[in-house]
Amino acid sequence: TQLLEQSPQFLSIQEGENLTVYCNSSSVFSSLQWYRQEPGEGPVLLVTVVTGGEVKKLKRLTFQFGDARKDSSLHITAAQPGDTGLYLCAGGATSGTYKYIFGTGTRLKVLA
Amino acid sequence: DSGVTQTPKHLITATGQRVTLRCSPRSGDLSVYWYQQSLDQGLQFLIQYYNGEERAKGNILERFSAQQFPDLHSELNLSSLELGDSALYFCASSGTASRASGGVWNEQFFGPGTRLTVL
Repeated sequence: TQLLEQSPQFLSIQEGENLTVYCNSSSVFSSLQWYRQEPGEGPVLLVTVVTGGEVKKLKRLTFQFGDARKDSSLHITAAQPGDTGLYLCAGGATSGTYKYIFGTGTRLKVLA
Repeated sequence: DSGVTQTPKHLITATGQRVTLRCSPRSGDLSVYWYQQSLDQGLQFLIQYYNGEERAKGNILERFSAQQFPDLHSELNLSSLELGDSALYFCASSGTASRASGGVWNEQFFGPGTRLTVL
């Protein structure tokens, strides 16, 4: 069974601070996605990383896929209150089903 | 707005009852996924359909069933409801898979969800 563990589970920081969220598994994934979810809404895709070691940047967010495609990290620089939300990583199955396993989630709160 | 619609938005029912949740995917998307999200278990994959056929199954209970119709909308049927079935149920859709650097993926677009409360 493929499992994805995220850490930390909860994070409360001040505006302007930097933070990193981790997504770890013992399984290999064909791709890794990061989503952000706000209360009462569905998750919204932020990025997809495919190649081991790949780094993608989205404004103040930097995403990295581990070399072995088993883990990923999300780094936010100078966090803002608008970054508040639930961050979910999702690993794509290596078979052809395009099934995604979601991580346990990191709930981020950025205080003004 | 993701383009995925779900109805109803809220559903309150009693234990032992049966309910049907409906999802309309984005125009042109052939794949539909169903997920359950509860406070203590995160987002759990239930089942995937592709162009009317079941493609992948996750942690879906035998009391739950789903189908995708010729017009590509999907329904998730939940029966013999229990208190523990109270959760947010999300539908997602995706289009053609992408391939690059040995990887294959698709982008899932989520609907706003149906909040089910079983009393």
